[in-house]
Amino acid sequence: QKEVEQNSGPLSVPEGAIASLNCTYSDRGSQSFFWYRQYSGKSPELIMSIYSNGDKEDGRFTAQLNKASQYVSLLIRDSQPSDSATYLCAVNDRNGGFKTIFGAGTRLFVKA
Amino acid sequence: EAQVTQNPRYLITVTGKKLTVTCSQNMNHEYMSWYRQDPGLGLRQIYYSMNVEVTDKGDVPEGYKVSRKEKRNFPLILESPSPNQTSLYFCASSPGANTGELFFGEGSRLTVL
Repeated sequence: QKEVEQNSGPLSVPEGAIASLNCTYSDRGSQSFFWYRQYSGKSPELIMSIYSNGDKEDGRFTAQLNKASQYVSLLIRDSQPSDSATYLCAVNDRNGGFKTIFGAGTRLFVKA
Repeated sequence: EAQVTQNPRYLITVTGKKLTVTCSQNMNHEYMSWYRQDPGLGLRQIYYSMNVEVTDKGDVPEGYKVSRKEKRNFPLILESPSPNQTSLYFCASSPGANTGELFFGEGSRLTVL
């Protein structure tokens, strides 16, 4: 069974700090990696995608991918209370028939 | 407005009573998928479809059926619902080039008594 693992949290950070969210995946054949944000009672929303090793920055968000270590992370700089949500890591496995597998999510709480 | 629309949003039913949750997208996306979300288990894929008349099982297909007769619609059918199918269901679509970039519907909360 291919897996995507995340620490469930909650991760609590003060406003203005850097929040670091981590994810590991089991299938070395995975090719595409995504971070979704899900507010309580709402549907998931794509915030970052990354396809090659290294860092990808978009505003206050940075995704980091290390395929050798099978590890992907999301950094949120200058965290705001509005960033409080559950963050879902997802891995797209084309070798497995175009399935997208999600982790259970990490709850982030940003304290004002 | 680009969107994925699910209906019904909330439903309480009884064991064995067939039901259908509809899903429609207006973005001309080729790829559509159904997920269920349960506490502690995250999103688990039920079925997906790469295009019209092409469907395939996800990780938890038991007890569910789907069809893709038109590009925009991808209904989820529970022929004989059971209490373990009580869950929050999400339909999602993607342009198809990269099926991990998903647009989600608002969700359908189903309770089976």
